[in-house]
Amino acid sequence: DGGITQSPKYLFRKEGQNVTLSCEQNLNHDAMYWYRQDPGQGLRLIYYSQIVNDFQKGDIAEGYSVSREKKESFPLTVTSAQKNPTAFYLCAIGGPYNQPQHFGDGTRLSIL
Amino acid sequence: GEDVEQSLFLSVREGDSSVINCTYTDSSSTYLYWYKQEPGAGLQLLTYIFSNMDMKQDQRLTVLLNKKDKHLSLRIADTQTGDSAIYFCAFSSPTSGTYKYIFGTGTRLKVLA
Repeated sequence: DGGITQSPKYLFRKEGQNVTLSCEQNLNHDAMYWYRQDPGQGLRLIYYSQIVNDFQKGDIAEGYSVSREKKESFPLTVTSAQKNPTAFYLCAIGGPYNQPQHFGDGTRLSIL
Repeated sequence: GEDVEQSLFLSVREGDSSVINCTYTDSSSTYLYWYKQEPGAGLQLLTYIFSNMDMKQDQRLTVLLNKKDKHLSLRIADTQTGDSAIYFCAFSSPTSGTYKYIFGTGTRLKVLA
């Protein structure tokens, strides 16, 4: 979607390394989300943030961390504690429940 | 807990209609969405319907909602090769969580020329 930028498009992680995925939006939306997508599965929620300086764990938060220091930015760090990080990561804005979500173009993370 | 089920694959011939189905368990589902995902891309919102509606039509897309059977469908008329993608249904409701959206596993639509 226009206005939601994820970078990089492809990312490689070495064993024991932390990596950070970027998500920026210029749509002035309060709520932002991170999802993980694996083949043949739906989207699983990692973290979400309703407002600046506040965020909540989703269904699969272990091994991940986030920050929300600015309204426009919601970076996701995949830590070395995440033993199976290979997936497609999607950032979204939207909500509350009566509003649809809109997604960025995703980052594909692979293990070296 | 809430669950959304979709068949994994659908194959149709170009020019035919496609019908992608979705069943859900949460009877309080208030807003139901259809998304399209092309290879290597994010999810694109196609359309959505509120639970007080039975049908919504938008150009080639028709959404039908059967609340009694908790069944949602997306019909694509005159399917084109550019419609080949993965289609996700999703729902949200205030009882599921103000900022929680539940997604199906996606249906991969293949359009044969």
